[in-house]
Amino acid sequence: QKEVEQNSGPLSVPEGAIASLNCTYSDRGSQSFFWYRQYSGKSPELIMSIYSNGDKEDGRFTAQLNKASQYVSLLIRDSQPSDSATYLCAVLLGGGADGLTFGKGTHLIIQP
Amino acid sequence: GAVVSQHPSWVICKSGTSVKIECRSLDFQATTMFWYRQFPKQSLMLMATSNEGSKATYEQGVEKDKFLINHASLTLSTLTVTSAHPEDSSFYICSASPGQQGYTFGSGTRLTVV
Repeated sequence: QKEVEQNSGPLSVPEGAIASLNCTYSDRGSQSFFWYRQYSGKSPELIMSIYSNGDKEDGRFTAQLNKASQYVSLLIRDSQPSDSATYLCAVLLGGGADGLTFGKGTHLIIQP
Repeated sequence: GAVVSQHPSWVICKSGTSVKIECRSLDFQATTMFWYRQFPKQSLMLMATSNEGSKATYEQGVEKDKFLINHASLTLSTLTVTSAHPEDSSFYICSASPGQQGYTFGSGTRLTVV
């Protein structure tokens, strides 16, 4: 059974601060990891992908992966009100024939 | 970038009728497309994997006779919700990968069955 766990929140962060989102997964065979942002009533949009242990930075976003701990995180620096959304962690097992397994998402609120 | 076009964006239908949702890859070929369903305040749940030229693979608990999938070409997959009931009301989203292990999502279809 593939499971992806996230704290549903809401997580409230002041504007300009760092937002830290966490995700754990159950299947040790998972190879690819993604963070998606979803606004209410919209489909998810890809924020970051990460495939190997360590950190990956893209602008204000940093994804961190620790396969030994089965843990993925997303850091958002200089948080903006427009970052307020639900952030979905998604995991892919193997080559992708199975589709993505999503967590329930963390609702992030950036307070102006 | 790769685009997946999904139509309609919303639909209201009467209980017992069927609804077809289309998903097209606009600038790439997709031998595989994925169909997800999302209920309010819930995560996306994979319903089925659509394979071009062959039968779709359904996740456990998803009725294949109710959710008909057709993937007749490398750029088009359709999901038909047959004999829809109010409990089928949900947000349906398709996805495909243009390669490099990235996944692009359609804009979603909000289905309301009355």
